[in-house]
Amino acid sequence: DIQMTQSPSSMSASLGDTVTITCLASQDIGNYLSWYQQKPGKSPKLMIYGATNLEDGVPSRFSGSRSGSDYSLTINSLGYDDEGIYHCHQYYEYPDTFGAGTKLELK
Amino acid sequence: QIQLVQSGPELKKPGESVKISCKASGYTFTDYAMHWVKQVPGKGLKWMGWINTYTGKPTYADDFKGRFVFSLEASASTANLQISNLKNEDTANVFCARNGRKTNSGAFDFWGPGTMVTVSS
Repeated sequence: DIQMTQSPSSMSASLGDTVTITCLASQDIGNYLSWYQQKPGKSPKLMIYGATNLEDGVPSRFSGSRSGSDYSLTINSLGYDDEGIYHCHQYYEYPDTFGAGTKLELK
Repeated sequence: QIQLVQSGPELKKPGESVKISCKASGYTFTDYAMHWVKQVPGKGLKWMGWINTYTGKPTYADDFKGRFVFSLEASASTANLQISNLKNEDTANVFCARNGRKTNSGAFDFWGPGTMVTVSS
């Protein structure tokens, strides 16, 4: 199975900051990587697909990038609504696998 | 608008069975695969498998072979998950999620709200 190593597991940032969350894939996954935001008691919400594509309706403050086997989600101009848990997901091959999640809190 | 509506929370005893439903609306049900994802409270997401909503063929992740059955009521645009011989470790929130591409090669663009299954004696 493809392992997705996500870091950090948690982080705290201030309003207006820029934050980056990373997932390292244990083998090639092409650009078959998505990012989800999950609020407490809610289902995940698709933010980025294909490593770099912004889902419709997602603010342009969110962006995805890739450098080799490292995939990153960057959030600019952090706002209170950005708090939550972020998950990466590889769908290159079965079984699909997820990172362990990053809990983002605002100071 | 596209919606996935799941059945309500379940409280079961070990050894019992449970059936969770996921009713889709707002799109052609048979055009997009349906996936199932497990989340133990406070933990990460785990992919359980998927069902081809056109043919009804299920595919299970290794950890979900044997006691888990994906099925369809295509006329009702509904995907179901049945878990038999429930164990304490089945306690989790279970989501259905639509694959966003007709070729089933995409991310999960719509998710159900989740069904909480609690197994306790």
